[in-house]
Amino acid sequence: DTGVSQDPRHKITKRGQNVTFRCDPISEHNRLYWYRQTLGQGPEFLTYFQNEAQLEKSRLLSDRFSAERPKGSFSTLEIQRTEQGDSAMYLCASSLEMNTEAFFGQGTRLTVV
Amino acid sequence: SQKIEQNSEALNIQEGKTATLTCNYTNYSPAYLQWYRQDPGRGPVFLLLIRENEKEKRKERLKVTFDTTLKQSLFHITASQPADSATYLCAHPNSNSGYALNFGKGTSLLVTP
Repeated sequence: DTGVSQDPRHKITKRGQNVTFRCDPISEHNRLYWYRQTLGQGPEFLTYFQNEAQLEKSRLLSDRFSAERPKGSFSTLEIQRTEQGDSAMYLCASSLEMNTEAFFGQGTRLTVV
Repeated sequence: SQKIEQNSEALNIQEGKTATLTCNYTNYSPAYLQWYRQDPGRGPVFLLLIRENEKEKRKERLKVTFDTTLKQSLFHITASQPADSATYLCAHPNSNSGYALNFGKGTSLLVTP
């Protein structure tokens, strides 16, 4: 296992369509995070999982967004009825413990047209 | 509300010089700060973590300081190389969340030969 893996790397979708992204964390990491990053900004926190439990959701995560982490392994982030404002880089990160370094994936670049 | 601010302007320096990047935070006293490097189109890569009881931390050509009185962290790259050109992000834990990191917008560093 060489790191956090995200799929796809790029996604172009039409407004109103649903999209789903996948994240495979480092295998021994039980903590998983989703962030969103737009051009010229730092990553913004979306949600956090500890094992399979979703322990925190940012208010940025509207009801069109849902995330899961079945069995505490990989995670998916789904966006329903996409809007142009959803265009961003979606980053997944994992860590072994609290308050330590986070390992980020390469991100999924979403473009909503 | 908590704010974390980094030099908004890009920093251009000559190879071999020391680059110094600044991170200021307000309305909060974080237990630690983290620094990440981000290359275009890629996820952030962890560099250093410095805790509030540590004044300085070093890793190879990197040095980070943490001044809790000034509410500031400085990130230094000595003997800079063109390969150091990237965006550098500062982050601290969100006081309202047990899990989220707040990131600054990042400072773009360009090292020219």
